[in-house]
Amino acid sequence: TQLLEQSPQFLSIQEGENLTVYCNSSSVFSSLQWYRQEPGEGPVLLVTVVTGGEVKKLKRLTFQFGDARKDSSLHITAAQPGDTGLYLCAVIKAAGNKLTFGGGTRVLVKP
Amino acid sequence: DVKVTQSSRYLVKRTGEKVFLECVQDMDHENMFWYRQDPGLGLRLIYFSYDVKMKEKGDIPEGYSVSREKKERFSLILESASTNQTSMYLCASRYSGANVLTFGAGSRLTVL
Repeated sequence: TQLLEQSPQFLSIQEGENLTVYCNSSSVFSSLQWYRQEPGEGPVLLVTVVTGGEVKKLKRLTFQFGDARKDSSLHITAAQPGDTGLYLCAVIKAAGNKLTFGGGTRVLVKP
Repeated sequence: DVKVTQSSRYLVKRTGEKVFLECVQDMDHENMFWYRQDPGLGLRLIYFSYDVKMKEKGDIPEGYSVSREKKERFSLILESASTNQTSMYLCASRYSGANVLTFGAGSRLTVL
């Protein structure tokens, strides 16, 4: 089993709709990151959340870190075709200071 | 604009061939990483390096080796490519004082 489980694996919606993707674990983390990877590119960091219950907003994207720091969600309001991509959550494992990624959610926003 | 450059975007190799994937960063980062990316599995760490000539195994090092002779360059080597190494390979770098990875655009390797 993966350390981080992301759901759903794939999401296809129409422009203007809202969507939420999830990143879950049974482990507690000091921080969690969200990356977006557009087709043909490497992942790019969107946000880091560090405090249980924390909510961060990046334009139409809202990120929340669970109270127990085991899970996180990403909500996109009024999705646009430019939001299309693979959304990855990642955490630092205590040993080795290495980033571990979830399996990702592929989002397709149709015009 | 800071960059991580992977010299080969697409490669097609035959089983048993030796494959070199090159990665160069211009940010003077101490740490460099090689991940492979497969659908549904996210990114899995192959090897990383925290200094010149230093390397550590990641989660899936079998079948791979790495070389870091200069700070800016980190190479991934497949000594004898196999079909199950067909994948997207992503290089990344990180400054030691931060937890943000900067990725290259990836190298898609197909082994026939």
